[in-house]
Amino acid sequence: GQQLNQSPQSMFIQEGEDVSMNCTSSSIFNTWLWYKQDPGEGPVLLIALYKAGELTSNGRLTAQFGITRKDSFLNISASIPSDVGIYFCAGRPSNFNKFYFGSGTKLNVKP
Amino acid sequence: NAGVTQTPKFQVLKTGQSMTLQCAQDMNHNSMYWYRQDPGMGLRLIYYSASEGTTDKGEVPNGYNVSRLNKREFSLRLESAAPSQTSVYFCASSEGTIRYEQYFGPGTRLTVT
Repeated sequence: GQQLNQSPQSMFIQEGEDVSMNCTSSSIFNTWLWYKQDPGEGPVLLIALYKAGELTSNGRLTAQFGITRKDSFLNISASIPSDVGIYFCAGRPSNFNKFYFGSGTKLNVKP
Repeated sequence: NAGVTQTPKFQVLKTGQSMTLQCAQDMNHNSMYWYRQDPGMGLRLIYYSASEGTTDKGEVPNGYNVSRLNKREFSLRLESAAPSQTSVYFCASSEGTIRYEQYFGPGTRLTVT
């Protein structure tokens, strides 16, 4: 099946630092989604990307749809303790109404 | 709007027992999905329903069945539970024709002993 490689697997950062994470695939995707999941909760949608090269922001979060359509990036600026959680990427191949998910990036923020 | 709701929130089953997980959405979405999430792993698609009246297998369908009861509801059934089905199950929905963002429910935590 499809493989999405998400990195890094985990990050330990100081409050105020910027964070970057990414997802790569061997296949082309038409849509990329980024989610955050808190313990014991369902994933919450952060950003949706539909066009190659698209750059979209949601507050301190910025995500980009890679030009090759095989990757996507999420940046968090000036991290705060409530950013702690697991971040997932998801990609949708063309002509399919389903997504493949990365294995997640666990973010820890030290106050 | 409640969004996506799931019942039950927790369930413990013995090997061989059956149960149905319920999911409903109030966003008038066309597409609905069932995922399982195991520790340290991402979400894996079990089954999905692109539109009312259709269902398709995902990555890990073995041991499960689904029913798209109507546009709002999509249930997941375990006919004979096995310990390997211990997991957290999430239901999601999306508009599915122009917009594909998926919105998730709170999950059902299932333990099979």
